[in-house]
Amino acid sequence: EVQLVESGGGLVQPGGSLRLSCVASGFTFSSYSMNWVRQAPGKGLEWVSYIIKSGSNSYYADSVKGRFTISRDNAKNSLYLQMNSLRNEDTAVYFCARDQEKYTNAFDLWGQGTMVTVFS
Amino acid sequence: QSLLTQPPSASGTPGQRVTMSCSGSSSNIGNNYVYWYQQRPGAAPKLLIYRSNQRPSGVPDRFSGSKSGTSASLAVSGLRSEDEADYYCATWDDSLSGWVFGGGTKLTVL
Repeated sequence: EVQLVESGGGLVQPGGSLRLSCVASGFTFSSYSMNWVRQAPGKGLEWVSYIIKSGSNSYYADSVKGRFTISRDNAKNSLYLQMNSLRNEDTAVYFCARDQEKYTNAFDLWGQGTMVTVFS
Repeated sequence: QSLLTQPPSASGTPGQRVTMSCSGSSSNIGNNYVYWYQQRPGAAPKLLIYRSNQRPSGVPDRFSGSKSGTSASLAVSGLRSEDEADYYCATWDDSLSGWVFGGGTKLTVL
């Protein structure tokens, strides 16, 4: 089955760190660029970060730049998001999403999400 | 405050046609494709429209997208109860070098 499964969410205090993982199955992970998108409780979607197929280049939203790092391990079919210096406003469900070139880079496959709660 | 503006709500009765708008600027919608995603309660988003007006395989032709200048719209015809969801527009922003989403429109089927 073609799917993405996130993990690693949890409770963390402000200033703390957390590492999210996203494991892909059912498709050739190394052939796709990937994204992280988050959704605060009761709010809309916010793009967080993007990484190209090889992992050699990445982009970040201004809200997380310098604090979050996206990476991937194509041998393990895995995508990661290292989150440091966490703030209350980082509380959200974090989704990983596949970038589909044949759909002009639309996000065509999404995981179920993992919840990150930053509390003091 | 999102760079893409969507009305917070829309509604219609079964069988009706409903349209939702998405307004941006020259650095995003004006120069790039628009995408639409549907998100039902408690679920992950689902791709509905890519390249402003194309449907991925499996998406019913009741859903259609269009773009003109710095605005885009999503139309849902033959409204059904299962269409009740949040709808988000998205596009690349050249100034930010990143993706931007609209705030979302909650569609209610009366």
